[in-house]
Amino acid sequence: GIQVEQSPPDLILQEGANSTLRCNFSDSVNNLQWFHQNPWGQLINLFYIPSGTKQNGRLSATTVATERYSLLYISSSQTTDSGVYFCAVQTGANNLFFGTGTRLTVIP
Amino acid sequence: DTEVTQTPKHLVMGMTNKKSLKCEQHMGHRAMYWYKQKAKKPPELMFVYSYEKLSINESVPSRFSPECPNSSLLNLHLHALQPEDSALYLCASKTGPLSYEQYFGPGTRLTVT
Repeated sequence: GIQVEQSPPDLILQEGANSTLRCNFSDSVNNLQWFHQNPWGQLINLFYIPSGTKQNGRLSATTVATERYSLLYISSSQTTDSGVYFCAVQTGANNLFFGTGTRLTVIP
Repeated sequence: DTEVTQTPKHLVMGMTNKKSLKCEQHMGHRAMYWYKQKAKKPPELMFVYSYEKLSINESVPSRFSPECPNSSLLNLHLHALQPEDSALYLCASKTGPLSYEQYFGPGTRLTVT
């Protein structure tokens, strides 16, 4: 099956700092989503981005499908950005498969 | 509106109990999912319903029994669970089996004693 690796596994930032999270996948995908899981467990959709670049406020994402990776940029981080960030991919008619996640802690 | 709701938020049950988890969406989505997430792990797929029919069962033990009574509602019936079944249970939906973007509910945190 497809392999999805995220890096770094853990990240600690000072409030106001910027960061880049990476997702590498081992096969062509027709769906890639980034999620933020808050401390209460809710998975919040950040981006649906099988290719290209999107921006939403302080967050932006880029997927380079031909090179099989995606990046999530967080600028001017806030304590509310803390949680686990997952990328999840889908190949063909298969279902969504999650990466191992990046645990982000933003300290004031 | 992209809301998926789940009840209850928390559930504690004994190994001999029978309980049910409920998931609801009113977005007209025709594909619905159950995932299980253990602590510090990513979600893992359990079941997929497409147009109210079970299309995927990821080799889940029979003590978990899904049900889709209508296009808006998905249940997960629990019976004779084990302590290792304690986890966060997440429901998700999307427009249809051929669409891509999934939306998740807030989850039910289950503890089996």
